[in-house]
Amino acid sequence: QSALTQPRSVSGSPGQSVSISCTGTSSDIGGYNYVSWYQQHPGKAPKLMIYDVSKRPSGVPDRFSGSKSGNTASLTISGLQTEDEAIYHCCSYEGTYTLLFGGGTKLTVL
Amino acid sequence: QVQLQESGPGLVKPSETLSLTCTVSGDSISSYYWGWVRQPPGKGLEWIAHKHSGGSTNYNPSLKSRVTISMDTSKNQFSLRLTSVTAADTAIYYCATVQSFRFDPWGQGTLVTVSS
Repeated sequence: QSALTQPRSVSGSPGQSVSISCTGTSSDIGGYNYVSWYQQHPGKAPKLMIYDVSKRPSGVPDRFSGSKSGNTASLTISGLQTEDEAIYHCCSYEGTYTLLFGGGTKLTVL
Repeated sequence: QVQLQESGPGLVKPSETLSLTCTVSGDSISSYYWGWVRQPPGKGLEWIAHKHSGGSTNYNPSLKSRVTISMDTSKNQFSLRLTSVTAADTAIYYCATVQSFRFDPWGQGTLVTVSS
């Protein structure tokens, strides 16, 4: 049960689009459509941004989108805003009712 | 709107047992699953376990031998016990609602330090 692989950091300028990848295996991301993404600002609790690969909870801007290809899931943020600067964590179901997180990606808005 | 609040000691001695409680307001814990996630300082999130009031419980295999989740429906609370703690268990511990393998919402988190 190794953590999902995320880049340590990504960056972008206001108005641009950025994507954050989350790579697993056929036993987790590749095998199920239960990938979720969380935004975490410093000193705050994580907040659900995407679930079931590409669904957005009520209140999350449509600038945030999710997708999956094979064993890799991606979170894309379009029209970057300064308040999007945060750490983003991915999570996947890996069968037998167990869950696995990635190591987190720090997004810097330049 | 469901709200969760963690409580418990902020300091635990090595080899002792960490005990935390999550108080839920705005909904009954007889609904959904309820779980725990932790985050060591400066590191990523780690799922610990989640449980339904009906009894079904699921544990992170790496922690299973040391973890217990219990529920008190009369107080609308659920609790975490982690035995034989070491410095590696120092983390912010979050409780959360678990629905269809996603965590939402979360409590604000509580820092637990393991030190003598």
